[in-house]
Amino acid sequence: GENVEQHPSTLSVQEGDSAVIKCTYSDSASNYFPWYKQELGKGPQLIIDIRSNVGEKKDQRIAVTLNKTAKHFSLHITETQPEDSAVYFCAASFNDYKLSFGAGTTVTVRA
Amino acid sequence: NAGVTQTPKFRILKIGQSMTLQCTQDMNHNYMYWYRQDPGMGLKLIYYSVGAGITDKGEVPNGYNVSRSTTEDFPLRLELAAPSQTSVYFCASRPSGSGRDSGELFFGEGSRLTVL
Repeated sequence: GENVEQHPSTLSVQEGDSAVIKCTYSDSASNYFPWYKQELGKGPQLIIDIRSNVGEKKDQRIAVTLNKTAKHFSLHITETQPEDSAVYFCAASFNDYKLSFGAGTTVTVRA
Repeated sequence: NAGVTQTPKFRILKIGQSMTLQCTQDMNHNYMYWYRQDPGMGLKLIYYSVGAGITDKGEVPNGYNVSRSTTEDFPLRLELAAPSQTSVYFCASRPSGSGRDSGELFFGEGSRLTVL
C-alpha cells in the first residue's frame, strides 16, 4: 500500500515568517494530495489539495507544490499568524477515496 | 447541517469490555470512514464503506467491526477491548464520485477512548 512520510514532526516559527512541511509518497500511481489542519480537540479539516495534473496551487497564504518525478509534495505557509498553530497532515491517494496520511507536523507560531 | 456527529466524546473501558462508537452524518455522503489517531502516528484507516450494505477493511481492522445499514450511520464496534485500542477515533465522510471537488473528507470531532 501507499506509504507517506512527513517532515519535520515539529516546527516552530516566528510570527510573520514562512513555514514549509514536506511529504514523500511511495506509490507512483497516487494522483491526489490533500493537506489537513487539525486544531486542538477538533477533527482534521481540509485546507488545500492538489491533483497530479498540476504542479502548484495557491490559496491566499498557503500553497502546495508537487513533484511527481521525485514523488514529493510540500505545504508552504507565508506570513504565519498565531492562528496557524496546529497539527498539519499530508495525505496521498491513488483511487480518490482511500487516503494514506503522514504522521503529522505540529506547527507553533511564536508571537 | 450538523455534519459528522460522533458519540461518545470520551469513554473509559476496562479490558475485555465491549462498546460501540456511534457516527452519523446528515450530508447524504456515500463514503464513510473510521480512523484512529495515535501520537506521532498520524491517522490510520480502520474500516471504510462506499455505501449502505458495503464495508471493507482498512490498514488496522483487527479488534474492530463495522456495519452500514443506512447511508447516515456507520457505527464502530470494539469487542474485547485491549489497552492497544486506547486512541482517539475519528469518523469521516465524503461524497461519492471523483474529480475536482469530491475528495474532501469531513471529520467528526473525535471520540477519545481509554482502555484500562
